[in-house]
Amino acid sequence: NAGVTQTPKFQVLKTGQSMTLQCAQDMNHEYMSWYRQDPGMGLRLIHYSVGAGITDQGEVPNGYNVSRSTTEDFPLRLLSAAPSQTSVYFCASRRSGELFFGEGSRLTVL
Amino acid sequence: AQSVSQHNHHVILSEAASLELGCNYSYGGTVNLFWYVQYPGQHLQLLLKYFSGDPLVKGIKGFEAEFIKSKFSFNLRKPSVQWSDTAEYFCAVNDPSSASKIIFGSGTRLSIRP
Repeated sequence: NAGVTQTPKFQVLKTGQSMTLQCAQDMNHEYMSWYRQDPGMGLRLIHYSVGAGITDQGEVPNGYNVSRSTTEDFPLRLLSAAPSQTSVYFCASRRSGELFFGEGSRLTVL
Repeated sequence: AQSVSQHNHHVILSEAASLELGCNYSYGGTVNLFWYVQYPGQHLQLLLKYFSGDPLVKGIKGFEAEFIKSKFSFNLRKPSVQWSDTAEYFCAVNDPSSASKIIFGSGTRLSIRP
């Protein structure tokens, strides 16, 4: 099993550009989520999903969009990137309360 | 909304020293509590979790944590640290409005001097 796979690992964007961070899991977990990690602020929940077709907002959802058409995939979309979205993004799935994290995607917005 | 406080931002210890990292959360009631660790260059991994039962929880690599409901605390301990424990440690708790929301603290960076 690959676990939770995120792509790309690194990305540089210009302000105003759009992009999608991909997340896929092969563990058949219903729950998936996106966090951003910033120095001194820990991990902050952006969006989460408890199953295909169901998504909800976390602590910092503004500027991000998600959808969940399949159990396996949970992409995160930035419609118009801003420098404040420079961060490391982690996707995680969950089973029995435990979060399983991907290796992260480092995004820089210039 | 639930919040999680980790008061120690950076802790520096020598090998074999004892460790205690603080974690406090704001809302009581039924809580699920977690400690995750992030080794340099790696993703987060679960160290231990508490859902119910014995408030003293044992995790991997010799770590343990104690849930004290009256103090809204879930401190992480290890009697004797090793250089390989150098990492960032995150406390997390579910939001009472939704068990699906897991809220993290700001993290504590632990540096071990060999």
